[in-house]
Amino acid sequence: DQQVKQNSPSLSVQEGRISILNCDYTNSMFDYFLWYKKYPAEGPTFLISISSIKDKNEDGRFTVFLNKSAKHLSLHIVPSQPGDSAVYFCAASALVGNEKLTFGTGTRLTIIP
Amino acid sequence: DVKVTQSSRYLVKRTGEKVFLECVQDMDHENMFWYRQDPGLGLRLIYFSYDVKMKEKGDIPEGYSVSREKKERFSLILESASTNQTSMYLCASSLTLRVEAFFGQGTRLTVV
Repeated sequence: DQQVKQNSPSLSVQEGRISILNCDYTNSMFDYFLWYKKYPAEGPTFLISISSIKDKNEDGRFTVFLNKSAKHLSLHIVPSQPGDSAVYFCAASALVGNEKLTFGTGTRLTIIP
Repeated sequence: DVKVTQSSRYLVKRTGEKVFLECVQDMDHENMFWYRQDPGLGLRLIYFSYDVKMKEKGDIPEGYSVSREKKERFSLILESASTNQTSMYLCASSLTLRVEAFFGQGTRLTVV
């Protein structure tokens, strides 16, 4: 049972435009969400997180939006740069019942110069 | 700078061999994890440890075991490697279970 889903396996965006990566979850107990970025042959690196008490969190070019009623979060990258080409994973955890991180299947983002 | 180090970047092993994957962290983290990454399946948790000598099964523990004799070191053991264990293995550590985990560079294991 995939509790965290990234339904788009891949996404291509032109350099300078906005990249929007989506993530859906089914466990209503999840209250902390993270995005990781992974380059080939490297481990994932933490990008940005959001707690369920917020609906938006920004860090430079990266913004994460959380819609609790829809059980949906998204990562916006503006403007997209070639170095953003990577696989992006969303992850979630719950204060009660499933504290450890549950990861999605990943979306491969390709930025076209 | 935080560091999680996996002992090998690439490994090739034969079916039936016993395989050890080693991971060391220098952040004094309580929690350590082993994941495998496969195309289309994302990161799946094999085992984790929340303290020395303590371990818990993750989502896909079959065919694996782990060892944590020291706080900084967490080993993944494939008792008898099989071809379906060919994968990218990722070790991670975190201060608590709910905050961001720091990952090692990964070990690409091929079982032939």
